Amino acid sequence: KAGVTQTPRYLIKTRGQQVTLSCSPISGHRSVSWYQQTPGQGLQFLFEYFSETQRNKGNFPGRFSGRQFSNSRSEMNVSTLELGDSALYLCASSLAGGRRSGANVLTFGAGSRLTVL
Amino acid sequence: QQPVQSPQAVILREGEDAVINCSSSKALYSVHWYRQKHGEAPVFLMILLKGGEQKGHEKISASFNEKKQQSSLYLTASQLSYSGTYFCGTDRETTDSWGKFQFGAGTQVVVTP
Repeated sequence: KAGVTQTPRYLIKTRGQQVTLSCSPISGHRSVSWYQQTPGQGLQFLFEYFSETQRNKGNFPGRFSGRQFSNSRSEMNVSTLELGDSALYLCASSLAGGRRSGANVLTFGAGSRLTVL
Repeated sequence: QQPVQSPQAVILREGEDAVINCSSSKALYSVHWYRQKHGEAPVFLMILLKGGEQKGHEKISASFNEKKQQSSLYLTASQLSYSGTYFCGTDRETTDSWGKFQFGAGTQVVVTP
Protein backbone atom coordinates (compact mmCIF):
# COMPACT_ATOMS: atom_id res chain seq x y z
CA LYS A 1 0.00 0.00 0.00
CA ALA A 2 1.07 3.58 -0.54
CA GLY A 3 3.10 5.20 2.21
CA VAL A 4 2.90 8.68 3.64
CA THR A 5 3.36 11.21 0.86
CA GLN A 6 4.75 14.66 1.47
CA THR A 7 4.99 17.48 -1.01
CA PRO A 8 7.02 19.34 -1.98
CA ARG A 9 10.19 17.40 -1.15
CA TYR A 10 12.48 20.41 -1.40
CA LEU A 11 11.83 24.11 -1.36
CA ILE A 12 13.75 27.32 -0.95
CA LYS A 13 12.19 30.46 0.45
CA THR A 14 13.41 33.82 1.63
CA ARG A 15 12.90 35.41 5.03
CA GLY A 16 9.45 36.86 5.50
CA GLN A 17 7.74 34.58 3.01
CA GLN A 18 5.29 31.88 3.96
CA VAL A 19 5.16 28.22 3.03
CA THR A 20 2.56 25.47 2.94
CA LEU A 21 3.52 21.82 3.17
CA SER A 22 1.21 18.94 2.36
CA CYS A 23 0.89 15.44 3.74
CA SER A 24 -1.23 12.52 2.54
CA PRO A 25 -1.41 9.77 5.18
CA ILE A 26 -1.65 6.06 4.65
CA SER A 27 -5.15 5.06 3.68
CA GLY A 28 -7.15 4.35 6.82
CA HIS A 29 -4.86 6.30 9.12
CA ARG A 30 -6.80 8.96 10.94
CA SER A 31 -4.07 10.74 12.87
CA VAL A 32 -1.49 12.99 11.30
CA SER A 33 1.34 14.60 13.22
CA TRP A 34 4.13 16.95 12.19
CA TYR A 35 7.71 17.11 13.37
CA GLN A 36 10.57 19.48 12.72
CA GLN A 37 13.96 17.84 12.39
CA THR A 38 17.19 19.78 12.69
CA PRO A 39 20.73 18.49 13.32
CA GLY A 40 20.99 20.11 16.72
CA GLN A 41 17.48 19.54 18.07
CA GLY A 42 16.50 16.20 16.63
CA LEU A 43 12.78 15.59 16.14
CA GLN A 44 10.59 18.27 17.66
CA PHE A 45 6.83 17.78 17.87
CA LEU A 46 4.79 20.47 16.12
CA PHE A 47 1.18 19.30 16.29
CA GLU A 48 -1.15 16.35 15.88
CA TYR A 49 -4.53 16.16 14.18
CA PHE A 50 -7.32 13.66 14.41
CA SER A 51 -10.69 13.97 12.69
CA GLU A 52 -9.88 17.52 11.59
CA THR A 53 -9.17 18.58 15.17
CA GLN A 54 -5.84 19.58 16.61
CA ARG A 55 -5.44 17.43 19.69
CA ASN A 56 -2.00 18.53 20.72
CA LYS A 57 0.53 21.20 19.97
CA GLY A 58 4.24 21.52 20.64
CA ASN A 59 6.20 24.55 21.79
CA PHE A 60 6.40 26.43 18.54
CA PRO A 61 5.37 30.04 17.86
CA GLY A 62 2.01 30.87 16.35
CA ARG A 63 3.66 31.29 12.95
CA PHE A 64 3.39 27.51 12.69
CA SER A 65 -0.11 26.29 11.99
CA GLY A 66 -1.79 23.31 10.47
CA ARG A 67 -5.04 21.75 9.55
CA GLN A 68 -6.53 18.43 8.61
CA PHE A 69 -9.16 17.79 5.99
CA SER A 70 -12.04 15.34 6.04
CA ASN A 71 -10.02 12.83 4.00
CA SER A 72 -7.27 12.96 6.69
CA ARG A 73 -4.88 14.83 4.44
CA SER A 74 -3.05 17.54 6.31
CA GLU A 75 -1.25 20.77 5.61
CA MET A 76 1.06 22.84 7.71
CA ASN A 77 1.83 26.48 7.16
CA VAL A 78 4.70 28.61 8.35
CA SER A 79 4.28 32.33 7.99
CA THR A 80 6.91 35.07 8.13
CA LEU A 81 9.74 32.63 7.65
CA GLU A 82 12.94 33.02 9.64
CA LEU A 83 16.38 31.59 8.95
CA GLY A 84 15.96 29.23 11.91
CA ASP A 85 12.97 27.61 10.26
CA SER A 86 15.29 25.83 7.85
CA ALA A 87 14.73 22.17 8.62
CA LEU A 88 13.34 18.88 7.47
CA TYR A 89 9.62 18.78 8.20
CA LEU A 90 8.33 15.28 8.73
CA CYS A 91 4.75 14.18 8.64
CA ALA A 92 3.68 10.93 10.28
CA SER A 93 0.39 9.10 10.28
CA SER A 94 -1.05 6.44 12.54
CA LEU A 95 -4.23 4.45 12.96
CA ALA A 96 -4.91 6.35 16.18
CA GLY A 97 -6.58 3.40 17.81
CA GLY A 98 -6.05 2.42 21.42
CA ARG A 99 -2.56 2.87 22.77
CA ARG A 100 -2.39 -0.68 24.01
CA SER A 101 -2.87 -2.07 20.54
CA GLY A 102 0.12 -0.16 19.28
CA ALA A 103 -2.14 1.71 16.90
CA ASN A 104 -0.31 4.93 17.60
CA VAL A 105 2.84 3.63 15.91
CA LEU A 106 4.00 6.30 13.49
CA THR A 107 4.68 5.88 9.81
CA PHE A 108 6.76 8.77 8.57
CA GLY A 109 6.89 10.40 5.19
CA ALA A 110 10.18 11.25 3.52
CA GLY A 111 9.85 14.86 4.59
CA SER A 112 9.89 18.32 3.07
CA ARG A 113 13.27 20.00 3.27
CA LEU A 114 12.84 23.73 3.70
CA THR A 115 15.72 26.13 3.22
CA VAL A 116 15.20 29.76 4.22
CA LEU A 117 17.62 32.27 2.77
CA GLN B 1 10.62 17.21 28.08
CA GLN B 2 12.81 15.44 25.62
CA PRO B 3 14.02 11.98 26.71
CA VAL B 4 17.77 11.64 27.07
CA GLN B 5 19.50 9.21 24.75
CA SER B 6 22.97 7.79 25.13
CA PRO B 7 25.44 7.35 23.65
CA GLN B 8 25.33 10.05 21.00
CA ALA B 9 27.24 7.86 18.58
CA VAL B 10 28.73 4.41 18.39
CA ILE B 11 30.98 2.70 15.86
CA LEU B 12 30.80 -1.06 15.58
CA ARG B 13 32.37 -3.76 13.54
CA GLU B 14 30.05 -6.29 12.01
CA GLY B 15 29.08 -8.90 14.56
CA GLU B 16 29.62 -6.67 17.59
CA ASP B 17 26.92 -5.70 20.06
CA ALA B 18 25.74 -2.31 21.26
CA VAL B 19 23.19 -0.89 23.68
CA ILE B 20 21.35 2.39 23.25
CA ASN B 21 19.64 3.90 26.26
CA CYS B 22 16.67 6.23 26.54
CA SER B 23 15.67 7.85 29.79
CA SER B 24 12.66 9.99 30.67
CA SER B 25 11.90 12.10 33.73
CA LYS B 26 8.15 11.56 33.21
CA ALA B 27 5.94 8.53 33.65
CA LEU B 28 5.58 6.78 30.33
CA TYR B 29 2.92 4.63 28.77
CA SER B 30 5.17 3.36 26.03
CA VAL B 31 8.50 3.79 24.33
CA HIS B 32 8.88 3.57 20.57
CA TRP B 33 12.13 3.04 18.72
CA TYR B 34 12.77 4.24 15.19
CA ARG B 35 15.75 4.09 12.86
CA GLN B 36 16.53 6.67 10.23
CA LYS B 37 19.01 6.11 7.47
CA HIS B 38 20.63 9.08 5.81
CA GLY B 39 18.20 10.90 3.57
CA GLU B 40 15.31 8.61 4.45
CA ALA B 41 12.26 8.69 6.70
CA PRO B 42 12.45 7.25 10.22
CA VAL B 43 11.21 3.67 10.26
CA PHE B 44 9.48 1.98 13.17
CA LEU B 45 11.42 -0.79 14.93
CA MET B 46 9.85 -1.58 18.25
CA ILE B 47 7.22 -0.53 20.73
CA LEU B 48 7.47 -1.29 24.43
CA LEU B 49 4.29 -0.91 26.40
CA LYS B 50 3.83 -0.35 30.07
CA GLY B 51 3.26 -3.78 31.51
CA GLY B 52 6.07 -5.40 29.57
CA GLU B 53 4.44 -6.12 26.24
CA GLN B 54 6.64 -5.69 23.16
CA LYS B 55 5.79 -5.44 19.54
CA GLY B 56 8.58 -5.34 16.99
CA HIS B 57 9.28 -6.08 13.41
CA GLU B 58 12.96 -6.85 13.26
CA LYS B 59 15.58 -8.97 15.01
CA ILE B 60 16.36 -6.18 17.44
CA SER B 61 15.43 -6.49 21.08
CA ALA B 62 14.63 -3.90 23.70
CA SER B 63 13.59 -3.54 27.29
CA PHE B 64 11.55 -1.05 29.31
CA ASN B 65 12.16 -0.49 32.99
CA GLU B 66 8.94 1.11 34.22
CA LYS B 67 10.31 1.95 37.63
CA LYS B 68 13.16 3.96 36.17
CA GLN B 69 11.30 5.09 33.01
CA GLN B 70 14.23 3.84 31.00
CA SER B 71 14.38 1.84 27.82
CA SER B 72 17.31 0.12 26.18
CA LEU B 73 17.67 -1.05 22.60
CA TYR B 74 20.00 -3.98 22.02
CA LEU B 75 21.80 -4.36 18.74
CA THR B 76 23.10 -7.90 18.77
CA ALA B 77 25.52 -9.34 16.21
CA SER B 78 25.30 -6.09 14.26
CA GLN B 79 25.00 -6.09 10.50
CA LEU B 80 25.92 -3.39 8.01
CA SER B 81 22.21 -2.70 7.57
CA TYR B 82 21.98 -1.60 11.22
CA SER B 83 23.78 1.64 10.41
CA GLY B 84 21.64 4.72 10.89
CA THR B 85 20.39 7.05 13.57
CA TYR B 86 18.22 5.51 16.26
CA PHE B 87 15.57 7.56 18.01
CA CYS B 88 13.46 6.72 21.00
CA GLY B 89 10.03 8.28 21.13
CA THR B 90 8.21 8.48 24.41
CA ASP B 91 4.45 8.46 24.94
CA ARG B 92 3.65 9.97 28.30
CA GLU B 93 1.10 8.47 30.61
CA THR B 94 -1.32 11.36 30.58
CA THR B 95 -4.58 11.72 28.72
CA ASP B 96 -3.59 15.09 27.28
CA SER B 97 -0.45 13.79 25.63
CA TRP B 98 -2.23 11.74 23.03
CA GLY B 99 -0.35 11.84 19.74
CA LYS B 100 2.44 13.93 21.24
CA PHE B 101 5.64 11.94 21.07
CA GLN B 102 8.81 13.32 22.55
CA PHE B 103 11.90 12.08 20.73
CA GLY B 104 15.42 11.79 21.97
CA ALA B 105 18.23 13.55 20.13
CA GLY B 106 19.22 10.29 18.44
CA THR B 107 22.12 7.88 18.50
CA GLN B 108 24.19 7.57 15.35
CA VAL B 109 25.28 3.99 14.73
CA VAL B 110 27.95 3.13 12.19
CA VAL B 111 28.65 -0.52 11.46
CA THR B 112 31.84 -1.19 9.56
CA PRO B 113 32.92 -4.35 7.74
